[in-house]
Amino acid sequence: DTGVSQDPRHKITKRGQNVTFRCDPISEHNRLYWYRQTLGQGPEFLTYFQNEAQLEKSRLLSDRFSAERPKGSFSTLEIQRTEQGDSAMYLCASSHGSGYEQYFGPGTRLTVT
Amino acid sequence: KQEVTQIPAALSVPEGENLVLNCSFTDSAIYNLQWFRQDPGKGLTSLLLIQSSQREQTSGRLNASLDKSSGRSTLYIAASQPGDSATYLCAVRPKGGADGLTFGKGTHLIIQP
Repeated sequence: DTGVSQDPRHKITKRGQNVTFRCDPISEHNRLYWYRQTLGQGPEFLTYFQNEAQLEKSRLLSDRFSAERPKGSFSTLEIQRTEQGDSAMYLCASSHGSGYEQYFGPGTRLTVT
Repeated sequence: KQEVTQIPAALSVPEGENLVLNCSFTDSAIYNLQWFRQDPGKGLTSLLLIQSSQREQTSGRLNASLDKSSGRSTLYIAASQPGDSATYLCAVRPKGGADGLTFGKGTHLIIQP
């Protein structure tokens, strides 16, 4: 049973650099979600995809953030011109569809120095 | 705007005790509620999903209840074990709008051996 995978698991970058994260969902899942979690807080929703279509973006997703899911399989989340406030755990989840259980990956921990 | 609150924020109990974690949400218009477990520095593991039409769900030593009209859910853990030590997160999927989950901040649980 292959769960949700994320790569890399850890990323340290300098302020102003661009970073890209990858998420591979469970293979038969058509919905894919991105969340961000800071220390001591619950995850916050960023955006989600139904197949390759990006259906919703949270107001947390500033212009420096972009997400893609080109063939409805894996997804990438890019952060341009990183800021120290971007330091967080970025979590990806997938589900069969609307209202179904969401399964999370191990996350990518980003540290911006 | 949907808000989710979890009480207590932290809990430490001796092994073997039965315990209850509480979750409340401000808007009763939800599709479902999901309980997760998160170990330090790791992703989320789904424990139970309760649809809005259901009153409770059980999995092993875990039992979750949902009272949608009063905006409350409880997670009951029977015969607690040191391996249950983790942060427990409650999340609701609101009706309408984005498909993303709204999370509480979690209850940090320590089971003393």
